[in-house]
Amino acid sequence: NAGVTQTPKFQVLKTGQSMTLQCAQDMNHNSMYWYRQDPGMGLRLIYYSASEGTTDKGEVPNGYNVSRLNKREFSLRLESAAPSQTSVYFCASSGRKMNTEAFFGQGTRLTVV
Amino acid sequence: TQLLEQSPQFLSIQEGENLTVYCNSSSVFSSLQWYRQEPGEGPVLLVTVVTGGEVKKLKRLTFQFGDARKDSSLHITAAQPGDTGLYLCAGLTYGQNFVFGPGTRLSVLP
Repeated sequence: NAGVTQTPKFQVLKTGQSMTLQCAQDMNHNSMYWYRQDPGMGLRLIYYSASEGTTDKGEVPNGYNVSRLNKREFSLRLESAAPSQTSVYFCASSGRKMNTEAFFGQGTRLTVV
Repeated sequence: TQLLEQSPQFLSIQEGENLTVYCNSSSVFSSLQWYRQEPGEGPVLLVTVVTGGEVKKLKRLTFQFGDARKDSSLHITAAQPGDTGLYLCAGLTYGQNFVFGPGTRLSVLP
């Protein structure tokens, strides 16, 4: 049972380059999320998707776009990377039951130089 | 904006000591959760508390939810090096989003 799978695990980009972070879950969850984690700031929500076909902005959406390709997959795109986007990115998913929990991928460590 | 604060931010203790970490919120959430994160991994759920005043135990870990459902604590008895990690509290909003605190980084020295 793979759970939540993210790729790549590490990436170095030059300022201005673009890239897409991939995420897939095999738990038939409706909701999926993208967070970034920076030292001392916890996990901050970038975008989320409550169901296939819908996406909404979180706390820090600027500089990012997302696509909920189908129920399993939720991708995060950086169109023009900036050094301020250096961070560890986590994808998560959750089910619809009351007081559900978030299941996380292993993270993508992104460095923008 | 719903915010969660955690204290202390860092904690370094000797094996066998007891410790308590705190999570405080400006809002009421549907439930409050504690996650533990190890280096290079995503957070993993430890416990969910829902009812004000609730106490849950998980081996040497005791979780308490405040009566007003705005604060929580995690107490570890006789800490072991395997308890080392980042402890995150998270509130589940009524809109089914998770709001995370900044975390408490615990180091247990042998």
